[in-house]
Amino acid sequence: EPEVTQTPSHQVTQMGQEVILRCVPISNHLYFYWYRQILGQKVEFLVSFYNNEISEKSEIFDDQFSVERPDGSNFTLKIRSTKLEDSAMYFCASSRNRRDQETQYFGPGTRLLVL
Amino acid sequence: SQQGEEDPQALSIQEGENATMNCSYKTSINNLQWYRQNSGRGLVHLILIRSNEREKHSGRLRVTLDTSKKSSSLLITASRAADTASYFCATDANTGNQFYFGTGTSLTVIP
Repeated sequence: EPEVTQTPSHQVTQMGQEVILRCVPISNHLYFYWYRQILGQKVEFLVSFYNNEISEKSEIFDDQFSVERPDGSNFTLKIRSTKLEDSAMYFCASSRNRRDQETQYFGPGTRLLVL
Repeated sequence: SQQGEEDPQALSIQEGENATMNCSYKTSINNLQWYRQNSGRGLVHLILIRSNEREKHSGRLRVTLDTSKKSSSLLITASRAADTASYFCATDANTGNQFYFGTGTSLTVIP
């Protein structure tokens, strides 16, 4: 069964450094998402992406964040200058359609720790 | 906001018993989904129920949806130790395509 994959599984970085989290969505999916989950808290939406542009973003997704689909398979989340509070599990998800009652399939997550 | 809220926050049962978790939300939805998360791991999709459906089954899972009360329940029958995990409901809104996750129910099934 196809699945969403994410790399790396864990990343430790120093405050102020840039990180890039990578995701490979399911191949025939057209909508891509990033969510984060701070330890012990709920999963929060960051951004959705379709047709090579952001379709929605939350208040969390400020100028420090950016997303890109650099090729036909990868979908990346970049945090330009990490803060301590960016430490969280970051989940990528993809879906075939937008709101056509389609399931979003989640990757296993990247655990980011900012020191 | 659209955030879902699950209750109870934590549930501990003996293997073989049934587990019921509830989710409430605030605004109109297109569908509601239940996800499972093992500690420190990713989210696994369990079941989707559409706004025009009232009940859905998948194996040992039974999900109900009451749009008039803006609530849903997830029933796991004949629980197993391997069912130990956190369970989240996620709702979409009638606009936009993001999901709003609840705070989750932490289920512990004691062997």
